[in-house]
Amino acid sequence: DQQVKQNSPSLSVQEGRISILNCDYTNSMFDYFLWYKKYPAEGPTFLISISSIKDKNEDGRFTVFLNKSAKHLSLHIVPSQPGDSAVYFCAASDNAGNMLTFGGGTRLMVKP
Amino acid sequence: EAGVAQSPRYKIIEKRQSVAFWCNPISGHATLYWYQQILGQGPKLLIQFQNNGVVDDSQLPKDRFSAERLKGVDSTLKIQPAKLEDSAVYLCASSWRTGGGNSPLHFGNGTRLTVT
Repeated sequence: DQQVKQNSPSLSVQEGRISILNCDYTNSMFDYFLWYKKYPAEGPTFLISISSIKDKNEDGRFTVFLNKSAKHLSLHIVPSQPGDSAVYFCAASDNAGNMLTFGGGTRLMVKP
Repeated sequence: EAGVAQSPRYKIIEKRQSVAFWCNPISGHATLYWYQQILGQGPKLLIQFQNNGVVDDSQLPKDRFSAERLKGVDSTLKIQPAKLEDSAVYLCASSWRTGGGNSPLHFGNGTRLTVT
């Protein structure tokens, strides 16, 4: 049973446009939500996170939105750049940082 | 700061053979994780250490997988005997404490294991 799901395996956007990556979760125990970015042959790198007490967190071009009632979060990248092309993983944990569970990933391709 | 070091980068073995992976976390990080990432899927936690104690190994196939973290620093993950379905990238990660939003995980580049 997948507790964290990313239903879109891939997404293609034009440079300069907005990229929206979505993630759904089922476990009500999850309190922290994180996004990781992964380039080929490298490990995932931390991008941005959000606590369940917030509904939005912004860091430069990256914004994460959390809708706790819908158990849904999204990552917005504005404007998208070719260097953003990578696989993005959504992850969730309890408030102690345990039970860290990853989604299956979304491959983002930003076309010049 | 130096990142998480893993070796080897690649390993090809035949089924029923054994294999070991090594991880050196970021200095001062108390928590160490081993993840298995099968092609096309997200990383799956195998085991989590806090210092040299096991916090979570509920998804570790203990009949064939073992892991240890001696002196709370380096860690090794062993598979014996390997099966075809063990082909995956094995990722080591560390954090200064448990990996909540204020303490994200730092990953190594992984070891790609192919079992033939």
